[in-house]
Formats: sequence, C-alpha cells, structure tokens
Amino acid sequence: SSELTQDPAVSVALGQTVRITCQGDSLRSYYASWYQQKPRQAPVLVVSGKNNRPSGIPDRFSGSSSGNTASLTITGAQADDEADYYCNSRDSSGDHVVFGGGTKLTVL
Amino acid sequence: EVQLVESGGGLVQPGRSLRLSCAASGFTFDDYAMHWVRQAPGKGLEWVSHITWNSGSLAYADSVKGRFTISRDNAKNSLYLQMNSLRPEDTALYYCAKDLRRSSPYAMDVWGQGTTVTVSS
Repeated sequence: SSELTQDPAVSVALGQTVRITCQGDSLRSYYASWYQQKPRQAPVLVVSGKNNRPSGIPDRFSGSSSGNTASLTITGAQADDEADYYCNSRDSSGDHVVFGGGTKLTVL
Repeated sequence: EVQLVESGGGLVQPGRSLRLSCAASGFTFDDYAMHWVRQAPGKGLEWVSHITWNSGSLAYADSVKGRFTISRDNAKNSLYLQMNSLRPEDTALYYCAKDLRRSSPYAMDVWGQGTTVTVSS
C-alpha cells in the first residue's frame, strides 16, 4: 500500500487563505478526498473528487490536484475552520484506502 | 435524516473477539459501499475495511487482514465487523462510514459517532 504525507501543522491568520497539501504516488491515479475533524467529533467530508463539496460545506473550501500532490484550499479562513484535516485516497492497488497523517490547522 | 449508529464496542482481553454493528437509516443502504475506519487515542484516522454494495468485494488493511471480517445485511440495513485475535494496538474508536459510490472506494460522506474498543488485560 502507498502512503499519503501531510504537514503535521499549519496556521493561518483570520480571513486569509491557506493551502493544506497531501502527497503520494497514488494521487497520480486517484483523486483525494478531504475531511475535517473537530475535537471529540466524527470526521466530516468537505471535498471529494476533482472539487466537489457536499451540501452544507461553505464554498471557501476547494480542492485541486497536480501530479502527486492534492491540495485543500480555504479562502478566507474563519475561526470555525480550526480543526484537523485529513486527506484520503485509494492506494496504488486501487482496492485499499489510505489516509494521510492529518494536518492541524490553527486560525490565528 | 441520514444516520449511522455503531454499537458493540467494549473492553476485551487480548486474543479475544468482538463484533461491531452499524445500523443505517435515512438512505438506501444497499445502494452504497461501506467502510470501517478507526482512530486510536490521540492519533489519526486509519482505514480498516471496505465492502461493496452487494458484498461482492471485500478489502482489509494489512494490519487487520486475516483477523477481521467485514459483512453486511442489506435486509437489515446493517454493517458488521467481526474482530478476532484482538491485540492492544487494536484499541481505538471505530467508525462506520458510507461511501459515495456502490463499488470501488471513493469518498466517505456519512460517518457514525463511533464505538470504542479497548483491548487490555
């Protein structure tokens, strides 16, 4: 199985734009999905596929991909966006799923 | 309301077994693949297992392969995880999650609140 690598922690000033990245060989073949997890809560899907947001997810969240790197961009970060963010995708075999290690986002 | 509710967690000794259940409601259960995902205390998310809509294909993380078995009963709108030969490193909050698609894994758009499994003597 392949791995997905995320920066452990990222910070952003309130109202500014932040990009959270996810690297892995399998991302050359498969889209990443992104999940937001707040303390003591279940994860929530924020972006899937090329750049699809589930109903109720603000449009300040967007996804993109280039080569072996997928990115989640938050444009105009809010205090409520402070959370852990995880990427996931299929692994190189296509049958398994792999998660990144997670990125803790701090909104200053 | 779309909902997943896990049950069956608890404290178990190493080497013993446990069966987790996940009750689904608010959507057509047999139209979607399902996953189990776990999270050890203070750690990140770890995918455990996936099952297609018709149980035609099952997949497991290397860490649980040969010990855990995923299954579903579409008539009962339920997902299961049979966990055998449990180890202390299996201690985690276990989430049931719905996939956006029927077959190959894609993205998990609905999650339960989880059930806690603690493996300790």
